[in-house]
Amino acid sequence: DAGITQSPRHKVTETGTPVTLRCHQTENHRYMYWYRQDPGHGLRLIHYSYGVKDTDKGEVSDGYSVSRSKTEDFLLTLESATSSQTSVYFCAISAWQSPSTSNYGYTFGSGTRLTVV
Amino acid sequence: GENVEQHPSTLSVQEGDSAVIKCTYSDSASNYFPWYKQELGKRPQLIIDIRSNVGEKKDQRIAVTLNKTAKHFSLHITETQPEDSAVYFCAASALGGNNRLAFGKGNQVVVIP
Repeated sequence: DAGITQSPRHKVTETGTPVTLRCHQTENHRYMYWYRQDPGHGLRLIHYSYGVKDTDKGEVSDGYSVSRSKTEDFLLTLESATSSQTSVYFCAISAWQSPSTSNYGYTFGSGTRLTVV
Repeated sequence: GENVEQHPSTLSVQEGDSAVIKCTYSDSASNYFPWYKQELGKRPQLIIDIRSNVGEKKDQRIAVTLNKTAKHFSLHITETQPEDSAVYFCAASALGGNNRLAFGKGNQVVVIP
């Protein structure tokens, strides 16, 4: 309904295994973001993308990589999952193009609850 | 980078009373300040935002005020209702910087019927 979907919604994985989370949008927005949400820490930016193949790090990027081969898909990969990466992961999209854009707000996906055991 | 702080962390109010949440930010280049509401188990949703060229914005029972000199902004909810119970996040960004939002840690608002 919001033009953005995340998959899977829930995942349990073992320490040391690779994990990929998917964010898919139908809004054709340029900007996409991955955040993690943990109690007491709020929402922290992991990586973001400002176009196909254009990505950059956020404040908590260690242990994560991203890829964006198409406008609609933004993938987050945990190369070797650790227990500290147990979290709820939110993808967000933004219609922002320039300071003259009228809509700056993020639309969030429903989140992926990841548990690393 | 930008650092956003929210106070108080938890706020309990009687139904019908007003609630005020305050946030401070560190980067004087920030010029966009949104507020998000997150109900339990749900995604954060934008409820109101303000740009630095205005000092106040209202939308029905909610309003946001901005003081650029002091680098703080506040969310005001009047005539609170039980459905206002949620976690509220403030955020800030400089729109020239890829619209990267820095979020505060969130405020739990509990409206007591």
